[in-house]
Amino acid sequence: EVQLVQSGAEVKKPGESLRISCKGSGYSFTSYWISWVRQMPGKGLEWMGRIDPSDSYTNYSPSFQGHVTISADKSISTAYLQWSSLKASDTAMYYCARHRYGVISDFDYWGQGTLVTVSS
Amino acid sequence: AIRMTQSPSSFSASTGDRVTITCRASQGISSYLAWYQQKPGKAPKLLIYAASTLQSGVPSRFSGSGSGTDFTLTISCLQSEDFATYYCQQYYSYPRPTFGPGTKVDIK
Repeated sequence: EVQLVQSGAEVKKPGESLRISCKGSGYSFTSYWISWVRQMPGKGLEWMGRIDPSDSYTNYSPSFQGHVTISADKSISTAYLQWSSLKASDTAMYYCARHRYGVISDFDYWGQGTLVTVSS
Repeated sequence: AIRMTQSPSSFSASTGDRVTITCRASQGISSYLAWYQQKPGKAPKLLIYAASTLQSGVPSRFSGSGSGTDFTLTISCLQSEDFATYYCQQYYSYPRPTFGPGTKVDIK
């Protein structure tokens, strides 16, 4: 069974750093791209960026480029989303999602989400 | 970036109704269009990809159609478990896929 399991909820202060994770299982982790999607409270879905776990090649949305970093450790089938300096506006639910086929793709499996709260 | 719009933004319906949600792209996207269902507190779930292909395990009351700029999601006979928010997503543009703003379906 394909699963993406994300790390737990986080409460941070503005300016702090954070890394959240997404562990894939039940499939060949290096064969499928992973994307990250943000959902702010009560709002819609925003694509942040993607990574090819086989070589860690990444693409970012211009809206998130320079503010987050996406990485992966294929030895433990885990993708990461990290911030070096959080802002209150980063408060949101973050989902990882597996590409169904290739880099240009819909997303067939999703993690359960990681809620990030940034507050002083 | 390709902009996606959905209509209506929300509506009320009854169990057993046939409902249709429309999604429009700001430029042609061929059939690179997916539909997702999201229930409160849950991750989105893929329903349809390539505009009209039903994802494995999704009930056949869901169907999708369209190509180019105009797309529809139809639920032929609304069930209680279908009350949710539905998002379309284009994945034609590289590197940036975009989602529609969502359509909330609630109980009349």
